[in-house]
Amino acid sequence: DSGVTQTPKHLITATGQRVTLRCSPRSGDLSVYWYQQSLDQGLQFLIQYYNGEERAKGNILERFSAQQFPDLHSELNLSSLELGDSALYFCASSGTPQETQYFGPGTRLLVL
Amino acid sequence: AQSVSQHNHHVILSEAASLELGCNYSYGGTVNLFWYVQYPGQHLQLLLKYFSGDPLVKGIKGFEAEFIKSKFSFNLRKPSVQWSDTAEYFCAVSPTSGTYKYIFGTGTRLKVLA
Repeated sequence: DSGVTQTPKHLITATGQRVTLRCSPRSGDLSVYWYQQSLDQGLQFLIQYYNGEERAKGNILERFSAQQFPDLHSELNLSSLELGDSALYFCASSGTPQETQYFGPGTRLLVL
Repeated sequence: AQSVSQHNHHVILSEAASLELGCNYSYGGTVNLFWYVQYPGQHLQLLLKYFSGDPLVKGIKGFEAEFIKSKFSFNLRKPSVQWSDTAEYFCAVSPTSGTYKYIFGTGTRLKVLA
């Protein structure tokens, strides 16, 4: 158990819908990262937050957005969902942006 | 631009064979280096890391990696693999200053045959 929690574990929804994925970092960690993992694209970095502020952006689509709240938990919002958005979404946290990342168990999203 | 290359995408070995997975990065400054492992159906977890000091780093489960600064490489090794090492292995790099962008390689899928 890494100490990072993600909810929900599984999510099934339809194309065009909007979903919110939630992540609680390890106690004391200020950095939160979001990743998308699929069979064809591999592990893709989406976005990073540090103490509430966006620090780095990766291959995040405009239909996706995220934020980190004052209590340091983070949410990833995915809207206008497409079949290709079906993937595992991981959240990770670290103390500072350069340190070891601890990954959550992931949310498996299936878009039908 | 900063990047990480893992040359082998798929590796198949028999038990007791030796393993070496390549990782090269491009970045002009000082970096922290990591290897993560993802067992089937699980999340990524840290295998080992290098921040400074002895360039030969030992991790969990008998893995080690060597940082060769002149070659911008951080190759992962294990003298004798086991069936339970079947997993995907990711190399990652994090600059110690600047934009702090943490970059993962594309991963190497290792299958160990019993």
